[in-house]
Amino acid sequence: GQNIDQPTEMTATEGAIVQINCTYQTSGFNGLFWYQQHAGEAPTFLSYNVLDGLEEKGRFSSFLSRSKGYSYLLLKELQMKDSASYLCAVKGYGGSQGNLIFGKGTKLSVKP
Amino acid sequence: DSGVTQTPKHLITATGQRVTLRCSPRSGDLSVYWYQQSLDQGLQFLIQYYNGEERAKGNILERFSAQQFPDLHSELNLSSLELGDSALYFCASSDFMGEQYFGPGTRLTVT
Repeated sequence: GQNIDQPTEMTATEGAIVQINCTYQTSGFNGLFWYQQHAGEAPTFLSYNVLDGLEEKGRFSSFLSRSKGYSYLLLKELQMKDSASYLCAVKGYGGSQGNLIFGKGTKLSVKP
Repeated sequence: DSGVTQTPKHLITATGQRVTLRCSPRSGDLSVYWYQQSLDQGLQFLIQYYNGEERAKGNILERFSAQQFPDLHSELNLSSLELGDSALYFCASSDFMGEQYFGPGTRLTVT
């Protein structure tokens, strides 16, 4: 079966660092994506990992361990505008054009 | 702006009716994906088309169908609508690397 787990909600303080974890069990693996979604808006791409290790992109970093079925998204120097849902998604079979299986998302609230 | 367009932005209709949602992918993208997002639910993959042909099917009800036309735009048809079909419907297209770009969504309300 396909299963992607991430915490439902998290709260952090402006300027701090927060780590959002994601564990997955899927049929096939062709990469893990993180998306940001503000309420009522479209998801926007944040990061992509296909090999083990850390990918850094400005204030955002994403880590992947394929053997553990585990990823995390690290957000540094939090800003109020980072309050949003963060979606972990795994691309299963189908190569680069395969569909994504999404977790239910982690709602992050950033407080002053 | 992702380059993916969806119409209409909002749709209000009654139970039992049929609606059509439209999506135009980014220029050059051959794959189109449809997702449903209900309140407090994650994005549920419905169906994927690649260059006009159905490629993958997810949790799509038999009352729902889709197609992709020669100009690569896609339509999602929802029939015999029920209250539970009220949701945000997103379309996405992907480039050759597989990164998916989402349209702004269509908010469907069934009354």
